[in-house]
Formats: sequence, C-alpha cells, structure tokens
Amino acid sequence: EAQVTQNPRYLITVTGKKLTVTCSQNMNHEYMSWYRQDPGLGLRQIYYSMNVEVTDKGDVPEGYKVSRKEKRNFPLILESPSPNQTSLYFCASRIAGSYEQYFGPGTRLTVT
Amino acid sequence: QKEVEQNSGPLSVPEGAIASLNCTYSDRGSQSFFWYRQYSGKSPELIMSIYSNGDKEDGRFTAQLNKASQYVSLLIRDSQPSDSATYLCAVIRGKLIFGQGTELSVKP
Repeated sequence: EAQVTQNPRYLITVTGKKLTVTCSQNMNHEYMSWYRQDPGLGLRQIYYSMNVEVTDKGDVPEGYKVSRKEKRNFPLILESPSPNQTSLYFCASRIAGSYEQYFGPGTRLTVT
Repeated sequence: QKEVEQNSGPLSVPEGAIASLNCTYSDRGSQSFFWYRQYSGKSPELIMSIYSNGDKEDGRFTAQLNKASQYVSLLIRDSQPSDSATYLCAVIRGKLIFGQGTELSVKP
C-alpha cells in the first residue's frame, strides 16, 4: 500500500529534551515536506526536500532541523523543544512535477 | 493580507443542501488551485484540483475558479453528514500555500 508513515503519533515531552519525529514514504517520491498545523493558522511549511541531500527552509523553520540521507526518509529534529512548538505535525510527499501531496497521519506533539 | 484566505466557519448546512466554500488569494500569478478535505484528527486528502477559469465537476463536488477576481470556490451538492470536515484551499506560488480552512457541519 502506498503510504507516508510517521512516528510517533503522539508525544509529550519537556522543554529542552531533544526529539526526532520520523517520516517514511514508499512511493519513491522526490519531494518531501514537513508542516505544522495550528488553530487559525492552517498548515505552514517547516522544511522541504527536493531530493536526497537537498533540503531548504519553509515558512517557519526556526527551532527545527531536517536531513534527507535516503530518498524514503525525512526525519524532523527538534534539538531543544519549547512550548511554542506544541502543534500537530504532518509529513507529506509528492512526485516531482505534481503538486498532489500525500500526507502522513500526523504527530501530535506537546511540549511542557 | 494573508496569501490565501478562507472563512473559518463553522458553516452549517442541512443534509441534502448545497454547501458553498469560498477562498480568495492575493497573488494574481497563482496558476494551480486545490481543495483538501480534513476530517477531525486525520490528515488532509486532496479532493479537487482546478487550473483554468470556470467550473470543474467531480461527482457531487464542483470547483469554480475566477482568476480575475482571485477567487476559488467548492460546491458540495446533496451534502451528507459524512461531508462534515474542514476544507482547506491551497494555491501554488512556487510551493503549496494553504488557507486556514473552513469547518463544514452537515446536520441530518
């Protein structure tokens, strides 16, 4: 089954404790993105990657890191999480030349 | 001014009625437009795309685009309770830009 997977689905952590949210897709898509979704603000892009070893900042990159060492994986790293990073996070992927995005199931992160 | 604006709702319609969801965008150069549906607690899924002025129909869904007015809408005919969700408008401006979404509630 073609899909984007994320782990964990739910995470409660404390300020300053480094965490990683994994994202994997099995569709051989070149493009992968991370979004955060907050009430009233919609989906905002954090980082995106156009292919292996090619990443760039989205609209709200502060406090986040990403890497793309393999085509299928695009982890999101919060090195020192803060309460304002409490949000619902989505990973998405798409094939080059198409804007039809496939979203993962989401990760609800709470930072206390 | 937000790049993509939607009324947050909630929009409430009775079952069987037409639901009309609206979206305006600020960049006149935007070329491609999308509607995503997001059920509560779930991820967005693409339901319609439209690229040229006019209407595009897919089953009970009709997307309408008016580039001169920078306006795109989604009509849902014969609304069903299962259509209750948040509908996200998205436009291409080098990348996908999403509106904040409109919550639709269809009452039986």
